[in-house]
This record gives sequence, C-alpha cells and structure tokens, in this order.
Amino acid sequence: EDKVVQSPLSLVVHEGDTVTLNCSYEVTNFRSLLWYKQEKKAPTFLFMLTSSGIEKKSGRLSSILDKKELSSILNITATQTGDSAIYLCAVVASNSGYALNFGKGTSLLVTP
Amino acid sequence: DVKVTQSSRYLVKRTGEKVFLECVQDMDHENMFWYRQDPGLGLRLIYFSYDVKMKEKGDIPEGYSVSREKKERFSLILESASTNQTSMYLCASSPPGQGQETQYFGPGTRLLVL
Repeated sequence: EDKVVQSPLSLVVHEGDTVTLNCSYEVTNFRSLLWYKQEKKAPTFLFMLTSSGIEKKSGRLSSILDKKELSSILNITATQTGDSAIYLCAVVASNSGYALNFGKGTSLLVTP
Repeated sequence: DVKVTQSSRYLVKRTGEKVFLECVQDMDHENMFWYRQDPGLGLRLIYFSYDVKMKEKGDIPEGYSVSREKKERFSLILESASTNQTSMYLCASSPPGQGQETQYFGPGTRLLVL
C-alpha cells in the first residue's frame, strides 16, 4: 500500500527562523511529488517535483526531491506570520490516474 | 486564474438525508476529484473522474456516489447521510496533458450530519 509520511506533525517557530518540513514516501511507480499550503480553506499549489525536476525555489520557499532516500524537504527561510498554515505533501503514482496521495500535513505556526 | 467553486461553504443535514455537494470548474479541465479532510487523517480521495460520465473509486468510496453529466460539474452524493460523514469536503480539478498532477482546489464544504 502506498504511503506518504510527513514530519513533524506540528511546529512552532519565531518570525525570522528557518524551518524544514519533511515528507517521505513509499509509492509504487512514483511519478511526482507536490507540496501544497493550506490556510483557512483550500490548499494552494506550491511546487511539483519529478525525476526530471528535483529542486524548485520560489522566494523564501524551496524544495528538494531525494529520489534515493524517497523523500522531499520543504524549506522556508526568514519565516513570517503569514507562513502559518498546514503544509501538505502529496505523491502521484503512474498507475493512479493522477490522483494525489496526501500525507497528514505539518501544521506550522510562526509567532511574532 | 483557475476557479473551482463549491455550492455551499457550510451545510447541516440530518442522519438519513440525501445530500448533494456540487463542484464547478471554469477552466475546461478534464480531471475532477472529491476528497474529504479530517483532523489526524489528512485528505483522502473519495472519487475522481477523467471525463464526462466517467468515474473511478478512490480510497474511501463507501457511502458515496458521484455524477459527472457535464465536463465542468462534478457532484458528490451521500445517499443516506451518517454522522461519520461529518467532515470537510474538498473538490479539485486538473488539466489534461502535462501538469495534470497539479490540482486546483475549491474552498471546501464543511458538512455536519446530526
């Protein structure tokens, strides 16, 4: 059975800190890994990582896929209170019809 | 911008009622999905659809059915609502071809079954 595990489950940091969120997966026929940010309502897309694109960066956020370790990290530097959210990792398998298999998420709280 | 809308933000129903949750996307996406999100369990896939009149079971289809009569609309149906179906329901869509893993989510419907 495919599995996606995120750690930690929750995290509290001070503004300005750097955080690293982890996602490991056991998936048959891995195709891609996606990161989403969920605030009050709908998850919003952050990054997609595939075998041909293992590192992505956007502003203070960056993500790396480690195909050997079957894992990914999401880094947020110089955190702000607006980064407080649940961060979701999801994996797509080639035989899943592009359905996302989500981890349980990491709840990040950035305090002033 | 992709827009995915869901018919209700909050819904309260009684046990045994038939419940319809509607989802509409305006970007001509082929793929549409229904998830439920529960504390401690994350998002779990209920059903998805690749095309009109097509449907596939996800991880937890029991107690649910779906309808896709038009490309832009994907409905989730609770035939006889039960209290364990109290949850946040999220609809998503994704385009065909390259990038179809990237799903765009609606705002969610928080359903309470009494």
